[in-house]
Amino acid sequence: DAGITQSPRYKITETGRQVTLMCHQTWSHSYMFWYRQDLGHGLRLIYYSAAADITDKGEVPDGYVVSRSKTENFPLTLESATRSQTSVYFCASTESSEYTDTQYFGPGTRLTVL
Amino acid sequence: AQSVAQPEDQVNVAEGNPLTVKCTYSVSGNPYLFWYVQYPNRGLQFLLKYITGDNLVKGSYGFEAEFNKSQTSFHLKKPSALVSDSALYFCAVRDMGSGAGSYQLTFGKGTKLSVIP
Repeated sequence: DAGITQSPRYKITETGRQVTLMCHQTWSHSYMFWYRQDLGHGLRLIYYSAAADITDKGEVPDGYVVSRSKTENFPLTLESATRSQTSVYFCASTESSEYTDTQYFGPGTRLTVL
Repeated sequence: AQSVAQPEDQVNVAEGNPLTVKCTYSVSGNPYLFWYVQYPNRGLQFLLKYITGDNLVKGSYGFEAEFNKSQTSFHLKKPSALVSDSALYFCAVRDMGSGAGSYQLTFGKGTKLSVIP
C-alpha cells in the first residue's frame, strides 16, 4: 500500500542496547523527518533529510544516528539507548515543492527503554 | 528562530457549540502555518494550512483557521463541535525565510480538545 510506514510499532529494550527504528515511504518524497513526542513538549525534530545521502540535525539530535541510502527509507538508530529516550517516535515525509509541503506522518513507534 | 505557542493545554466544549483552539507564532520571515490533529494511538493528520492569500483557511472535517498577521495568531475554529472531534491538536509553523532548512516545521505542545455530549 502507498503511504508511510514505521516498524516496529512497539519496542521494549534495555539501557545500553542499540535500537533501530525503520521508516519507509512510497511517494518518493525528497524530505523525510524524525520527531519524538513527549508529554509537555509536543513534537521535537530529531533529524531530517533533504534527499538520499543528505541529512542534518534537528532540535534534539544527541544520542541518535540516521542514514538515508535510498530515497524511500530513513532509519533512526539509538546507538546506546537511555531511559530518557523512552518516547513515541514519528517519521514524516514531504515533497520539496514550495506549495505542496504538507508533511505526512507515519503511525509512530512507541519505544520503552528499561 | 521560529516558535509556536498553544496557550491552552486542554479545551472543553459542549457538542454543537463552536470551538476555538488558539495558536500564536513567531518567525523572522513570512510564515507557513499548519494545523494537525492526532487521534489516540495514531500519527498526525493534516487539517489545513495557510501559505498566502485569504486569511480564512478552510480545511478538513469542517475546520477552518484565521490568520491574523498583526496578532501573529492562527486560531483553529469550527462552528459546531462533534464528539468525534475530540483529539489532540497541533499548530505548526515553517519560516519561509530560513533557507536550506526551511522545510522544518516547529510544532506547538498541543491542545487536547474534549467535546462533551
